[in-house]
Amino acid sequence: DTAVSQTPKYLVTQMGNDKSIKCEQNLGHDTMYWYKQDSKKFLKIMFSYNNKELIINETVPNRFSPKSPDKAHLNLHINSLELGDSAVYFCASSQGGVQETQYFGPGTRLLVL
Amino acid sequence: SQQGEEDPQALSIQEGENATMNCSYKTSINNLQWYRQNSGRGLVHLILIRSNEREKHSGRLRVTLDTSKKSSSLLITASRAADTASYFCATIGGSNYKLTFGKGTLLTVNP
Repeated sequence: DTAVSQTPKYLVTQMGNDKSIKCEQNLGHDTMYWYKQDSKKFLKIMFSYNNKELIINETVPNRFSPKSPDKAHLNLHINSLELGDSAVYFCASSQGGVQETQYFGPGTRLLVL
Repeated sequence: SQQGEEDPQALSIQEGENATMNCSYKTSINNLQWYRQNSGRGLVHLILIRSNEREKHSGRLRVTLDTSKKSSSLLITASRAADTASYFCATIGGSNYKLTFGKGTLLTVNP
């Protein structure tokens, strides 16, 4: 059983397009996250939601908008995609907050042409 | 700014040897975590060590934490080719409300 799943796994798109990445966790966790991993493998938090409420919002362009319809889902919508948005985006979840063990999804590889 | 820094950036060993990776950080922490990432995959949690703990074991993994030196080490004993991956330390604590990752150590275990 997949604990944290993301769709799509790969996303190739043109500059200026709008795209969404979906994330679902079946672990019953309260907290979910979006991370961006760049080409040098540096992993940085973008957003975190706890019980559908935004608790972490890093310095991310407002073209990125997370949405949490329920505590098992955290989607990421990106408007007006730019070349620099090319990266691997990871969703993660944890029980009990940011200090606890995080469980990561397989990643979505986004390539903006 | 980045909190954890792993050392070395890359490590290549033979199967059966032990591998040691180090992590240094700058500010006080509540806990430190080690994660593994296989090529093209997501991160997998290995061990969480709290600031009041000095050592933790899990199978072939041993993690130490020295808060006075602001450093941690991950030891993998009797390495296997399947241990080939990038290993990241991540810290949280003090005024840091998020899990902050280092750049990772790429471990290659040659068969």
